[in-house]
Amino acid sequence: VQLLESGGGLVQPGGSLRLSCAASGFIFSSYAMSWVRQAPGKGLEWVSGISDSGGSTYYADSVKGRFTISRDNSKNTLYLQMNSLRAEDTAVFYCARDSSTSGTFDFWGQGTLVTVSS
Amino acid sequence: DIQLTQSPSSLSASVGDRVTITCRASQSISNYLNWYQQKAGKAPKFLIFVASSLQNGVPSRFSGSGSGTDFTLTISSLQPEDFATYYCQQSYSSPWTFGQGTKVEIK
Repeated sequence: VQLLESGGGLVQPGGSLRLSCAASGFIFSSYAMSWVRQAPGKGLEWVSGISDSGGSTYYADSVKGRFTISRDNSKNTLYLQMNSLRAEDTAVFYCARDSSTSGTFDFWGQGTLVTVSS
Repeated sequence: DIQLTQSPSSLSASVGDRVTITCRASQSISNYLNWYQQKAGKAPKFLIFVASSLQNGVPSRFSGSGSGTDFTLTISSLQPEDFATYYCQQSYSSPWTFGQGTKVEIK
């Protein structure tokens, strides 16, 4: 199993960024996926999740209405569109595979850093 | 949202020590409690699911127990590679939430 995030970088407050997570080594379309973030020096925070088909999506209150999770099962890729970014969104963003038990993250990518600053 | 409180926030221990970390949930979560290990600069690693089941490949010195609101992670004999931060996480109800972490440092 490999998960490889990309798309992080420096963005100004109010700006947008799209993260990608390329998956390999498993049947991507059979698993729900999530994004989890970690602010510098802080703990882990679940951000968003999506069902295996993409038909159901879930968000933390802190990002609801600003972030959109999606997936392309033909490309084995997970996405996170982030709009109206704030300084408090600065974090390493990890994509994680949901195991057969919902909300249990058995494999993680290496993370991509998003910095929101002027 | 379900709050998870870990204790202690940090601890110092020696190689060979027995280490116990506790995680308390703000409401009953049955056994829907997972544990992760995170080393500095690295992604979290999945250790234990449904409170006491060891993920494949995790050494048997790690064990978990508990149900309802109180859970523990035990390392029976601390090894040099175990110095890390440990997080509990509930998978009982969305939004999935994590404890604040327990940092295990070398004494």
